Amino acid sequence: ETGVTQTPRHLVMGMTNKKSLKCEQHLGHNAMYWYKQSAKKPLELMFVYNFKEQTENNSVPSRFSPECPNSSHLFLHLHTLQPEDSALYLCASSQEQGGTGELFFGEGSRLTVL
Amino acid sequence: GESVGLHLPTLSVQEGDNSIINCAYSNSASDYFIWYKQESGKGPQFIIDIRSNMDKRQGQRVTVLLNKTVKHLSLQIAATQPGDSAVYFCVLGGTDSWGKLQFGAGTQVVVTP
Repeated sequence: ETGVTQTPRHLVMGMTNKKSLKCEQHLGHNAMYWYKQSAKKPLELMFVYNFKEQTENNSVPSRFSPECPNSSHLFLHLHTLQPEDSALYLCASSQEQGGTGELFFGEGSRLTVL
Repeated sequence: GESVGLHLPTLSVQEGDNSIINCAYSNSASDYFIWYKQESGKGPQFIIDIRSNMDKRQGQRVTVLLNKTVKHLSLQIAATQPGDSAVYFCVLGGTDSWGKLQFGAGTQVVVTP
């Protein structure tokens, strides 16, 4: 139990589908993150939210749309994705942006785009 | 641009031996360094960190060494156990951009009996 829960754990979607990934943290943290982990590539930061406000968008294509309704929940809305978007999407949280480098990661959502 | 590299993509270690994982970095502005561990099927997990005003920091069975002169970071694991089998990431941060931690490609550590 990491305190950060991601659903679904696995998702297969076609390029025309619309789906969402969900992340919930039970740690009382104020910052939440989306990372993308592709095979043989380093983790890539996608988005950062600090106190529900988006503070980082790392040049992510608009087919990925984040939503942070409160400090405990983070969504990643997906639409018209490409096969190269297939990856493990990791959510993380931290006490707040600007503290230590200790992020608490969920177990990830494995996305396959057909 | 900055880069985070690791000397070996895979490290095979016998159970009970000590492990050393190395990391080279190029960004002189980096002043905060972290090691993360990712076990199969799980998300990365924080192990230990070190700031640039230190050259050594110890945790439980782990030691991180920082050589700023040659821009080198290492993680030492004492008495390696099967549960240490994982991918280890060298991560760079900075006080001016700490929200954008830069992960290295990772080193796969395999512990053999």
